[in-house]
Amino acid sequence: GQQLNQSPQSMFIQEGEDVSMNCTSSSIFNTWLWYKQDPGEGPVLLIALYKAGELTSNGRLTAQFGITRKDSFLNISASIPSDVGIYFCAGLNYGGSQGNLIFGKGTKLSVKP
Amino acid sequence: SQTIHQWPATLVQPVGSPLSLECTVEGTSNPNLYWYRQAAGRGLQLLFYSVGIGQISSEVPQNLSASRPQDRQFILSSKKLLLSDSGFYLCAGKTGIGYTFGSGTRLTVV
Repeated sequence: GQQLNQSPQSMFIQEGEDVSMNCTSSSIFNTWLWYKQDPGEGPVLLIALYKAGELTSNGRLTAQFGITRKDSFLNISASIPSDVGIYFCAGLNYGGSQGNLIFGKGTKLSVKP
Repeated sequence: SQTIHQWPATLVQPVGSPLSLECTVEGTSNPNLYWYRQAAGRGLQLLFYSVGIGQISSEVPQNLSASRPQDRQFILSSKKLLLSDSGFYLCAGKTGIGYTFGSGTRLTVV
């Protein structure tokens, strides 16, 4: 089945540093999504990308839909302690599995004040 | 907009006891619904999904079952819990731009 490879698996950074994480796949996706999960909570949607090459920002977050439609990255600029959590990428291909999302395994972000 | 309600937030159950976790949806009708399990600090494992009342698809063989008795109700059950059933259980509903998740249930089997 379709799989997403998300990296890195975890990151330990200093407050103020920039963060970059990415997802790749051997399959094409029509939509890429990025979620953040705070400890003990459910994931919350951060950014949705719908077109190859699309670059979208949400505050300090920037995400891009790869031109090949097989990858996406998420950047966080000037990290702050509340950025701590697990970030998941997710791809959607309307054709298969009832249009279900495929999730990456997550990037666990730790920020030192 | 869609809201997913899950309860309870935490649950401690003895091995061999039954389980029933409930998820209800507010704000949409006939949504696709999903049950995920998450081990501590790890990824999301899809357990079941449902495209409508009485329609359940199982993604992995396991000790759990799911039911959808009403359009906006999705239930995760077990007849006899195992230690390995411990984890964080998340219900999600499909929206126009992805999924909305509930706040999860932390299940500890002792």
